[in-house]
Amino acid sequence: SQQGEEDPQALSIQEGENATMNCSYKTSINNLQWYRQNSGRGLVHLILIRSNEREKHSGRLRVTLDTSKKSSSLLITASRAADTASYFCATARAGGTSYGKLTFGQGTILTVHP
Amino acid sequence: EAGVVQSPRYKIIEKKQPVAFWCNPISGHNTLYWYRQNLGQGPELLIRYENEEAVDDSQLPKDRFSAERLKGVDSTLKIQPAELGDSAVYLCASSPRSRNGANVLTFGAGSRLTVL
Repeated sequence: SQQGEEDPQALSIQEGENATMNCSYKTSINNLQWYRQNSGRGLVHLILIRSNEREKHSGRLRVTLDTSKKSSSLLITASRAADTASYFCATARAGGTSYGKLTFGQGTILTVHP
Repeated sequence: EAGVVQSPRYKIIEKKQPVAFWCNPISGHNTLYWYRQNLGQGPELLIRYENEEAVDDSQLPKDRFSAERLKGVDSTLKIQPAELGDSAVYLCASSPRSRNGANVLTFGAGSRLTVL
């Protein structure tokens, strides 16, 4: 079953613009991660944010986490054509037998036009 | 470092035929995962190994799917017999021993299965 739901399902922007993707989830988490998948390839880890963190940066990426709303957002600033890919959020559950289990959302397809 | 290696990259078979996928994880990674990804969807976990022990196989359709991880390194995923609905990309991933549940996964390129 899919834990996270990404919004929007697809996003089309021009190079240089910012891209924002959102993720909502249902259960208590240990951490939330974002992955990128280029067409026909495997997923690549981008960034991890722990449940006790609210914001994290990595290069042009900014991730926020609101555990009270069970939601996260990924912001890509100054986008490039090479950022065109599918982006997935993944949640690691807290506690129980599923501790550490990573569950992926449906993904957001980002297209950046040159 | 070679990364997670999967083979074959593509496989086309007729329904009711068997198929097997192989995965070589990153050296030293204790945890190995098999995910299935349907077109336009996110990956769904089939089975997770800690060394050679399957610690989560609740979503593996055990009537036709089987997996093994010999000596806690390479792993194979088998489907017998394959059905039309098994057409998907099968992704293998590995991660080092978890630190406080923070498993960061490294994925292979995947094995794309088409069942005719």
